[in-house]
Amino acid sequence: GESVGLHLPTLSVQEGDNSIINCAYSNSASDYFIWYKQESGKGPQFIIDIRSNMDKRQGQRVTVLLNKTVKHLSLQIAATQPGDSAVYFCAENGQAGTALIFGKGTTLSVSS
Amino acid sequence: DVKVTQSSRYLVKRTGEKVFLECVQDMDHENMFWYRQDPGLGLRLIYFSYDVKMKEKGDIPEGYSVSREKKERFSLILESASTNQTSMYLCASSLQFSGRASLYDEQYFGPGTRLTVT
Repeated sequence: GESVGLHLPTLSVQEGDNSIINCAYSNSASDYFIWYKQESGKGPQFIIDIRSNMDKRQGQRVTVLLNKTVKHLSLQIAATQPGDSAVYFCAENGQAGTALIFGKGTTLSVSS
Repeated sequence: DVKVTQSSRYLVKRTGEKVFLECVQDMDHENMFWYRQDPGLGLRLIYFSYDVKMKEKGDIPEGYSVSREKKERFSLILESASTNQTSMYLCASSLQFSGRASLYDEQYFGPGTRLTVT
């Protein structure tokens, strides 16, 4: 069943603001997490990943934070741009030998 | 860059037709996946394959079958299409099966096939 979820189905921000998208996971065996971005009409694209031996990982304008104590994952986007408008999914690797488990997604809308 | 391609972007089929959705990846990945994506339900795994001629059921395999005769190609088959199979179908591949101490769990997705069954 579904073990990965996002707190909010939609998030609206102004251009230039920082965005935070949250995700809760329930499988304590998961040790690998990914954030994907899906633009309208396209397949999901990898943004950033993190392993459970890390608390934070930074990419270009994006940061993923992992709190294993409360099983929480977040994606921070700095200086959000209209091109960041998309659906964002978190995913976890769950039990050994299983496929990635995806959350339902948060739709980020960025207005100018 | 990894490239995952799907045979059609849009497909319209009639109820009862047999439908083939083809997916090809060019990075010699062992694992391939088929998902369907519906509003409010996110990505749901239909089937996956971790080797040629191997397949495993995902969360919603009913009404579907798959074929993997070659490493680079993974086909999804709807034996008798029904209207409730109208959806966006996404194929993905990954280098190594998800598991403990695995380093390459990232899945690369194709652009999707929007299937409408009338």
